[in-house]
Amino acid sequence: TQLLEQSPQFLSIQEGENLTVYCNSSSVFSSLQWYRQEPGEGPVLLVTVVTGGEVKKLKRLTFQFGDARKDSSLHITAAQPGDTGLYLCAGADLNTGNQFYFGTGTSLTVIP
Amino acid sequence: DAGITQSPRHKVTETGTPVTLRCHQTENHRYMYWYRQDPGHGLRLIHYSYGVKDTDKGEVSDGYSVSRSKTEDFLLTLESATSSQTSVYFCAIATATGELFFGEGSRLTVL
Repeated sequence: TQLLEQSPQFLSIQEGENLTVYCNSSSVFSSLQWYRQEPGEGPVLLVTVVTGGEVKKLKRLTFQFGDARKDSSLHITAAQPGDTGLYLCAGADLNTGNQFYFGTGTSLTVIP
Repeated sequence: DAGITQSPRHKVTETGTPVTLRCHQTENHRYMYWYRQDPGHGLRLIHYSYGVKDTDKGEVSDGYSVSRSKTEDFLLTLESATSSQTSVYFCAIATATGELFFGEGSRLTVL
């Protein structure tokens, strides 16, 4: 089992604030993905990062893959109530049967 | 939308009864997965498939079996359901570029 730890587990912030969610592991992954999940629905892919040190931006969301490809962060600028949801990171190990390992998730609530 | 449907979406059953959850995809993806999601545990892989009749165990496979007789269908069976198997079950497919797309989930309650 390749353990992925996310922090914080819960986060409640005011609209307009910035936040960062972390995803850490002792394992190296082929790629790392971030998903967002809303209640009663399946996770939806936000982004995939592949190269160590890679930074990707998706509007107010910035994703970074660590140089050693073991960790990642998600930074949200000026959070909006629509950002509320469960954020999950997932490490892909394409060398051992195309398996994906998920972190425990960060539950974000943005208060208007 | 990757054309994934799960059935049933909700099921309540009693301990000791068999349960089968179905995942159907419309786009002929090779890899399919069954995960369970529980508070504090995130998504945990139960079984996955890399082709017709080709399946392998994930990290929480005890008490579960799977079958894939056609590319489009991946079945998850609980031979004798237990209360610890109360959970939300998600099916997913992986694209050729290594991205997962999920179904809407099947909520199972074992009394």
